[in-house]
Amino acid sequence: GAVVSQHPSWVICKSGTSVKIECRSLDFQATTMFWYRQFPKQSLMLMATSNEGSKATYEQGVEKDKFLINHASLTLSTLTVTSAHPEDSSFYICSARLGDVGSRQETQYFGPGTRLLVL
Amino acid sequence: SQQGEEDPQALSIQEGENATMNCSYKTSINNLQWYRQNSGRGLVHLILIRSNEREKHSGRLRVTLDTSKKSSSLLITASRAADTASYFCATDGRGGADGLTFGKGTHLIIQP
Repeated sequence: GAVVSQHPSWVICKSGTSVKIECRSLDFQATTMFWYRQFPKQSLMLMATSNEGSKATYEQGVEKDKFLINHASLTLSTLTVTSAHPEDSSFYICSARLGDVGSRQETQYFGPGTRLLVL
Repeated sequence: SQQGEEDPQALSIQEGENATMNCSYKTSINNLQWYRQNSGRGLVHLILIRSNEREKHSGRLRVTLDTSKKSSSLLITASRAADTASYFCATDGRGGADGLTFGKGTHLIIQP
């Protein structure tokens, strides 16, 4: 099956620092990658949609200047949390999709997540 | 916004019994997917059912979809302790260009 990795799996940082999270599709090229956030005991909330070579599309309420997304290649997307604050502490999960919706490759495969703790 | 609503929010059953979780959604969809999440971990894809399908099986899993009622169910037969996890339904109804909209999830506990 398709494998998606994230790095790092854990981050603890001081308030005001920036944190970069990488999402890689290991054995396939992903047309689209997505970033989600999950607070404790809650569901996943979509933050942004990322297509290789173009600007990310952010969900309403998600600050694009705070959550910078760079989709450098068909196998790598990065999320940078700039000037992180304690309220940004959360579980960040990326996903990658092989093909377009309606195709045989529309399943989204999720990474293992990155837990961010801002002190 | 959270489109899907799962019920029950929590379910505790004995090992060997069947577990049924339901999911409702509000808008039209292309497909509906079910995922499992173990505590503090990433999501594992279980099954995808398209809007023109009514039922799908995968091993001990059975998923139904009723687009007229905008609802889906996930049945896990002969449950095992390893099935203990949170289960989420997710839809992608917004033209497919965007990500998934997740329900709140059902926390399933299988008692040995």
